[in-house]
Amino acid sequence: DTAVSQTPKYLVTQMGNDKSIKCEQNLGHDTMYWYKQDSKKFLKIMFSYNNKELIINETVPNRFSPKSPDKAHLNLHINSLELGDSAVYFCASSQDKLTGAGGYTFGSGTRLTVV
Amino acid sequence: AQKITQTQPGMFVQEKEAVTLDCTYDTSDPSYGLFWYKQPSSGEMIFLIYQGSYDQQNATEGRYSLNFQKARKSANLVISASQLGDSAMYFCAMREGLGGSQGNLIFGKGTKLSVKP
Repeated sequence: DTAVSQTPKYLVTQMGNDKSIKCEQNLGHDTMYWYKQDSKKFLKIMFSYNNKELIINETVPNRFSPKSPDKAHLNLHINSLELGDSAVYFCASSQDKLTGAGGYTFGSGTRLTVV
Repeated sequence: AQKITQTQPGMFVQEKEAVTLDCTYDTSDPSYGLFWYKQPSSGEMIFLIYQGSYDQQNATEGRYSLNFQKARKSANLVISASQLGDSAMYFCAMREGLGGSQGNLIFGKGTKLSVKP
């Protein structure tokens, strides 16, 4: 199936640990993103990345880093996890131009719980 | 200032009736796109409908239609013939410009829709 897939779906870990969330898209899209959804359901961009440019939301702590081994993958690595990092993280991808319906696709989300 | 405003934190609708979810936006970019997503309790983000700023006609996708009023900067979602499965959070979002790595979606705070039998 064509999609944006991210793993794991659930992640429970202790404070201070380092963890990664993987994301892969087979849609041939040029740009990938990470979004964070907080406990109040508010969704906010963390990173956007294509093979030319990484744009980081300035509010994102530098403990978070995106890593892209190739155009189809954008993994999220988090160092020294804190309780406040608990949230749902969504990966997404889009074509480079605004193409409208279906051009922006989300993964199913990773629920991260830091204890 | 908020770029996407959804003024209804929660709404109720009777099954089989139509419901309108409000969304207003703020941008000075002439090129933009407006999206609606549904997020059921299972958590995934489901794309519903898209409206481009240059589109002349209101977008429709099955039971979903977007009431696009450009001068008023509003992009309300209309769901006709509500079904119990429509109960979910609904997010309005905007993408400014023509994409590229700056084509992030800016989301509203969402509206929780509950469909009553």
